[in-house]
Amino acid sequence: GAVVSQHPSWVICKSGTSVKIECRSLDFQATTMFWYRQFPKQSLMLMATSNEGSKATYEQGVEKDKFLINHASLTLSTLTVTSAHPEDSSFYICSALGIDRRTGYGYTFGSGTRLTVV
Amino acid sequence: LAKTTQPISMDSYEGQEVNITCSHNNIATNDYITWYQQFPSQGPRFIIQGYKTKVKNEVASLFIPADRKSSTLSLPRVSLSDTAVYYCLVGGDRDDKIIFGKGTRLHILP
Repeated sequence: GAVVSQHPSWVICKSGTSVKIECRSLDFQATTMFWYRQFPKQSLMLMATSNEGSKATYEQGVEKDKFLINHASLTLSTLTVTSAHPEDSSFYICSALGIDRRTGYGYTFGSGTRLTVV
Repeated sequence: LAKTTQPISMDSYEGQEVNITCSHNNIATNDYITWYQQFPSQGPRFIIQGYKTKVKNEVASLFIPADRKSSTLSLPRVSLSDTAVYYCLVGGDRDDKIIFGKGTRLHILP
């Protein structure tokens, strides 16, 4: 089936620095990508929706200047956590909506990125 | 987007059949029902999707009554490796964003 590659799988950074997370769709073109964050023992919370070539749409309460999303091509979206703080430590997951030659139209999730800010 | 309600947690034993029911009273005509599985520190994985009646694949079955206000995910002969969180999601439009509910934490005992 469709595969979404997410990197890095984990990252540790110092408070105040920025971290970039990449999400690539393999074998299919992703017209829309979603970014989620998940705290321990909790469900996924949608942060933003990005469409290729246009600005991302952020969910209420998500700071767009802190969580920069770029969807420059049909196969790549990036999430940059700027000026990271310990409270940004979380599990970040991307999802791509697109057409897979074998399974048709649907959503595929990346493997997630564990961000720890120290 | 239709809201979904699932049991918070369930326990079962290896070799048993497990049924997880999800309520979605406000499901729209063009909505599909999709179930995902998530292991700790991994992204959700697609299990099965259906619109009405019964759907079956190599890992699960999905039962949807005629009114489509609920659905039941059936996992045959579970094993310890089926311990995970299972999410029921409802949506239809191609640009629909997926909003996750709380999911069902399934714990399989030996």
